[in-house]
Order: sequence, then C-alpha cells, then structure tokens
Amino acid sequence: GPKVLQIPSHQIIDMGQMVTLNCDPVSNHLYFYWYKQILGQQMEFLVNFYNGKVMEKSKLFKDQFSVERPDGSYFTLKIQPTALEDSAVYFCASSRQGRQDTQYFGPGTRLLVL
Amino acid sequence: GDSVTQTEGLVTLTEGLPVMLNCTYQTAYSTFLFWYVQHLNEAPKLLLKSSTDNKRTEHQGFHATLHKSSSSFHLQKSSAQLSDSALYYCALNTGGNNKLTFGQGTVLSVIP
Repeated sequence: GPKVLQIPSHQIIDMGQMVTLNCDPVSNHLYFYWYKQILGQQMEFLVNFYNGKVMEKSKLFKDQFSVERPDGSYFTLKIQPTALEDSAVYFCASSRQGRQDTQYFGPGTRLLVL
Repeated sequence: GDSVTQTEGLVTLTEGLPVMLNCTYQTAYSTFLFWYVQHLNEAPKLLLKSSTDNKRTEHQGFHATLHKSSSSFHLQKSSAQLSDSALYYCALNTGGNNKLTFGQGTVLSVIP
C-alpha cells in the first residue's frame, strides 16, 4: 500500500536546540498531518497542512513549532527551541483529500530531548 | 470535546479464540470511525473504517459495526492468529479538517 517515510527514525538532542523532523508523504497526497504520542499516552493531533497553509492546529502546537513543505519536498516539523516535554514519538500522515479521507501514517520519529 | 475510549491495556488470547476489542466514542458531530493496527516498529495501518450506522464492515478477517445509538465501534474477529499480535487504535473523525481523535490503544497478544 501507499507508504509514508519519516527521517530520522530516532533523534536525541539537548534542550534548547532546534530539531527538524522530516516526512516524505505519499506522492499524490495533498493533505499532511503531524501527531504526537508521549510514552504511555494516546496519539494526539498537532496540526494539518494543505496548499502551503496550516488548516488547523491543536493546543499542543506551541509557538516553538512550525511546519512547511517547500516546493513539494519533505513535509517538515521544526521545533525551536526544544523543551523536555517535547520528548515523544511524532507521526506524520498524509491523505489525498481532506474531509474524512483515510490518512496514511509513517512509522514515527522518536525524539528524546535531554 | 470529542473522545474515544478503548479496551484498556493488554488483551491476551489463545490462538483460535475470538477477538473483541471495545471502542466507544463521544462527539456532538457526524462520525467517521477508524481502526488502525500497528505492528512493532511499523507505521499504523488502516484496518477498517465506517460512517454508516448499523452496517458491518470487514477487512482481513476483522469486522466492526458502527452503532450510533450506543456510540460504539467494536473490533471483532472469529479466530485469532499469532500474526494478529499488535497495537490496535480506534480513532474518530468529525471535523472538516480531517483531524483524528485516537483512543489510548489496546495491545493484543495472541499466544499458541
């Protein structure tokens, strides 16, 4: 089936540093998402993105977070600066259409902030 | 706000026995329910989805029926296989922006 790739699979950084998480979505998909999962908790919606714009973001999407997809390349989540509570698994997803269309997920990036 | 509640924690079954993982939800809006399955170190993959009340949906031996009267979308299978061991998520989609609200996940462990 369609595959979403995420790079890197693991990342360890020091608090206060910047980190960029990369997502390679399904090729003909137009809608992109990030979800956050803290260890032992459920996956939670962070943000979705379409046509170069954030469509909706949750309260977890702090001011230190930003997303972009320059020129059809990777869909990225940047955190600057990072905080200890940003340690989590971040899942990227994509869908061809918006409303209630199936989202295809990547395997996640495990981020540890020390 | 929207919420999803699943069978808690770990469900351990002997191979060949039936599977039932519970999922209930709360929302004030129209509903689209999903079951995703995640095997170890892999991406969550869609297993089933439905928005039609009282209609059974099936895939890969699993089935579920959305019951809006009881706000439920339980996942079932008649006979568990070892390869069914995985983490199962129930998720709800109500918004125009395709945002998913997930349950906490249920780990299914099938033993010989």
